[in-house]
Amino acid sequence: AQKVTQAQTEISVVEKEDVTLDCVYETRDTTYYLFWYKQPPSGELVFLIRRNSFDEQNEISGRYSWNFQKSTSSFNFTITASQVVDSAVYFCALSAGGFKTIFGAGTRLFVKA
Amino acid sequence: GAVVSQHPSRVICKSGTSVKIECRSLDFQATTMFWYRQFPKQSLMLMATSNEGSKATYEQGVEKDKFLINHASLTLSTLTVTSAHPEDSSFYICSAHTQGRNQPQHFGDGTRLSIL
Repeated sequence: AQKVTQAQTEISVVEKEDVTLDCVYETRDTTYYLFWYKQPPSGELVFLIRRNSFDEQNEISGRYSWNFQKSTSSFNFTITASQVVDSAVYFCALSAGGFKTIFGAGTRLFVKA
Repeated sequence: GAVVSQHPSRVICKSGTSVKIECRSLDFQATTMFWYRQFPKQSLMLMATSNEGSKATYEQGVEKDKFLINHASLTLSTLTVTSAHPEDSSFYICSAHTQGRNQPQHFGDGTRLSIL
């Protein structure tokens, strides 16, 4: 069975704070892909990153960074120096054993000015 | 880059109406498309997998006669919500996949369906 758990339902921070969004996944497949998407209030899904199971290198893209740890089945997402525009719902997702993508419940991030 | 176009972006209609939502891949051929539904403040739930030239595969609990899917070409999949009722009001999002596991999934901007 495949599962994605985002235990944090809502997070509220003040601008310029760093924030980490947690993601834990479950799969029996050895080949899989992990994703993070941002969903602003307008509703569209914005692709942020895709990582395959064989690449455990952490990635940094501007203020965003991702920490992939196979040992703990986690794929956490950190926003450094958060901004109001970062306020959105963030989804972690898993694709394994085929093309289907399973989404976590999402974490709603509020960044206050 | 690759783009998926979803139309319409918003629909408001009366109970009992059938509503068709289109999902088009604009600059690539999509052998597989997915339809998701998202209720307010909830996650995206996969409804069905649409395969070009064959029948769609529905997830457990999704009524295939209620949600008709047609994937007649490599660039177009349609979802028809038949005899829609207020409980069908939701945000519907499609995504398109090219062949090969290395290809990313591209999402449409979603359709907000409101049934009165």
